[in-house]
This record gives sequence, C-alpha cells and structure tokens, in this order.
Amino acid sequence: AQTVTQSQPEMSVQEAETVTLSCTYDTSESNYYLFWYKQPPSRQMILVIRQEAYKQQNATENRFSVNFQKAAKSFSLKISDSQLGDTAMYFCAFMTGLQGAQKLVFGQGTRLTINP
Amino acid sequence: DTGVSQNPRHKITKRGQNVTFRCDPISEHNRLYWYRQTLGQGPEFLTYFQNEAQLEKSRLLSDRFSAERPKGSFSTLEIQRTEQGDSAMYLCASSSMRLAGAKNIQYFGAGTRLSVL
Repeated sequence: AQTVTQSQPEMSVQEAETVTLSCTYDTSESNYYLFWYKQPPSRQMILVIRQEAYKQQNATENRFSVNFQKAAKSFSLKISDSQLGDTAMYFCAFMTGLQGAQKLVFGQGTRLTINP
Repeated sequence: DTGVSQNPRHKITKRGQNVTFRCDPISEHNRLYWYRQTLGQGPEFLTYFQNEAQLEKSRLLSDRFSAERPKGSFSTLEIQRTEQGDSAMYLCASSSMRLAGAKNIQYFGAGTRLSVL
C-alpha cells in the first residue's frame, strides 16, 4: 500500500524567509504523480504544485519549487520569500492508479505559520 | 466556472439520524471524488465516479454510506444511522480526463463539516 509521511507537524517562519516542508512516500509503482496542496483555515484545498515522476526536472511555480528525489522517494516543497497569505496546512499527496481511479493518498499535513 | 460547490457547509445531527450532502463539480469534469478528513489528518479516499458510474469504493465506506451521481452531474453522499465516529469534514473533488494540461489534477470543494452529537 502507498503511504505518505510528513514528519513536520508544525513550522513557523518570519515573513520573507524561505521554508522547506518535507515529504516522503512509499510505493512500488514506477509512474505516478506527486502534489502539494494548501488548505487555508476554513477554506478549500488548493493545488500548489504538481510533479510527474517520469520527469527528472523539478517543478516550479513562482515562489514554490520542489526537490524531487525519486530514488529516495522524497518530495520536499520550498517556499521562497514567504508571505502572510502562505499561512495554511500543507498536504503532500501521491496519486495512485494512473490507469484507473487516480485517487490521492495524503500525508498528515504540516501546519505552516508565517509571522509578520 | 465557479469551482466545486458543496452543500451544506456545516451539518449538526443527532446520532442515529440520516444525513445527505451534495457536491456540484466543475461543469466539464467527468470524474468526481469523495474524501473524508478527520481533525488533524489528511483526507482519505472514500469513492469516485466516472460520469455516472461509481467505479471504486474504499473499505472505509461502510454499508451505512451510499453515494450517487445521477446523469453524471452532481453527486450526493448519504450516511444512514449516523454515529459519533462519522464526525469529520467530507470533501468532494472533481477532475477531467480530457482537458490537456489539467489531467490528473483534482479540484476540491470547501467541504461539509459533519458533527454527530
């Protein structure tokens, strides 16, 4: 069974700093997708960034980038120049069954607080 | 495009009562997913539909749970004889298998928070 582990339950940084959230996963599949989702307080989950496992190049989206290490099954998220609006729960997710259900398996989440 | 809509946002019920939640996906999306999120945890997959067909159900989905998606549009999730352990956030997500660039991306609604007293 696929599992996703986020080892940092909470993190807190000052505005404008860079922060890295960790994620490891376990799977026997060779082709899959990895995601980081953001869930602000009382608001819906929003996709931050997506990585396709067959692509060696790390995905980037503006201030957000990932460090994808396939052999180590590691998928960390780096947020540069952090902003107050980045305060949220962040979930790492693995998409399994690309030819079928394409369901997401989520980690437990990291609560990130950006302080002014 | 107004995104994925879920109603109600909050539901408080007494143990033993039946409840029904509704999800309206993004209009051109043919896949619809239900997840359950308990406090302090990540969402867990419950079931999904491709068009009107329910193709997979998790073992988390007991016999008291039923989901439908008539005509491949909105979906409902019903819980019969609710128990206190059913208290959670129920999330709906939709995706398209056809839109290039958006394949494999699930878009989430704001969820329905269920409290069973």
